Amino acid sequence: DTAVSQTPKYLVTQMGNDKSIKCEQNLGHDTMYWYKQDSKKFLKIMFSYNNKELIINETVPNRFSPKSPDKAHLNLHINSLELGDSAVYFCASSQPRTGGAGELFFGEGSRLTVL
Amino acid sequence: GQQVMQIPQYQHVQEGEDFTTYCNSSTTLSNIQWYKQRPGGHPVFLIQLVKSGEVKKQKRLTFQFGEAKKNSSLHITATQTTDVGTYFCAGSARQLTFGSGTQLTVLP
Repeated sequence: DTAVSQTPKYLVTQMGNDKSIKCEQNLGHDTMYWYKQDSKKFLKIMFSYNNKELIINETVPNRFSPKSPDKAHLNLHINSLELGDSAVYFCASSQPRTGGAGELFFGEGSRLTVL
Repeated sequence: GQQVMQIPQYQHVQEGEDFTTYCNSSTTLSNIQWYKQRPGGHPVFLIQLVKSGEVKKQKRLTFQFGEAKKNSSLHITATQTTDVGTYFCAGSARQLTFGSGTQLTVLP
């Protein structure tokens, strides 16, 4: 059983389109994240949800809208796609611990290519 | 805001050579984590260090957390081709912040 699963693995789309990526975790974790990894491998946090509540919202364009219907799911919807949105998007989950974040479990990633 | 810097960005070594990546935080950390990402894969947790001056070993990998809890290192002894990948540190203060990663290439 995959612990953190995200779909689709690959998206190829035109500029201006809207797309969604879904993520589910079966680890019972309270916190879920979206990370963006660019071509230089930088991992940048975009959003973090704890028990369906948004707790981190980094400087991300309004075109990106996360949604957490329950604590096991965190989806990412992107409107009006731009060339610079091309990247690999990773979903992750963790169980927060005293003194800091617990270990992160990452999904396999969704590679988005905007043409 | 919290910044975590990691060097070098790239490292090429001959198989059998040692490798070290360094991580420095602008703020004192409550803990530091290390991850490995194989080419085409996703980051996988390796270890977490919590105590000042802590040293942990996993086979050929040695992880250190600085006395001031602002820096850390990962040392691999006698690299193998299976060590290829990008190594990330991630420092936890208010939130978890990833370093920029070190991409390791091991030449056979």
